Amino acid sequence: DAGITQSPRHKVTETGTPVTLRCHQTENHRYMYWYRQDPGHGLRLIHYSYGVKDTDKGEVSDGYSVSRSKTEDFLLTLESATSSQTSVYFCAISETQGWLVPEQFFGPGTRLTVL
Amino acid sequence: TQLLEQSPQFLSIQEGENLTVYCNSSSVFSSLQWYRQEPGEGPVLLVTVVTGGEVKKLKRLTFQFGDARKDSSLHITAAQPGDTGLYLCAGAGPGGSYIPTFGRGTSLIVHP
Repeated sequence: DAGITQSPRHKVTETGTPVTLRCHQTENHRYMYWYRQDPGHGLRLIHYSYGVKDTDKGEVSDGYSVSRSKTEDFLLTLESATSSQTSVYFCAISETQGWLVPEQFFGPGTRLTVL
Repeated sequence: TQLLEQSPQFLSIQEGENLTVYCNSSSVFSSLQWYRQEPGEGPVLLVTVVTGGEVKKLKRLTFQFGDARKDSSLHITAAQPGDTGLYLCAGAGPGGSYIPTFGRGTSLIVHP
């Protein structure tokens, strides 16, 4: 299994509080991604990174920010959590494979509940 | 945004039955992937198909990429309870983007 960990694995927080989720990899892969998964919506990309300090927005980036100061760590911050951000969050990593879409390796997920 | 439509959304069958799930789009994809996600875990890649008309087999699973590279199917022969999970298709655009687009998935339950 690819070395990807997410922390915390479960979190309950209150509306309006900031929350930071951490993704850590030991594979030295260049690309890292944050997704959220909700019933009926599948996996939706929040933000991704293509290198240290290089990040870009995905399709559902509003209310989220990210940072990547080291190759191995990718942080997702909910600036002021809302109930609509209750979800399961997955981190993924990949390397480029030429022109093919790369294989993504996913972490175990973080279940976040915003009350 | 290129959309991938998966059908059926839910499937509940008995052990030993065969099934097919579909992934369709109006857009052309340079390559397409199938992932399986077991409850409480992240998705795991099953296969990547690249060439129009390509067929790949993985034990009891058969994957096909449409000739026009706009659709794909996954056929499972003699399903087993261990096949239970969420099957997701993901595609890369014709421009060769490394950011895949995921379908919403087919949730399969195989009863013993």
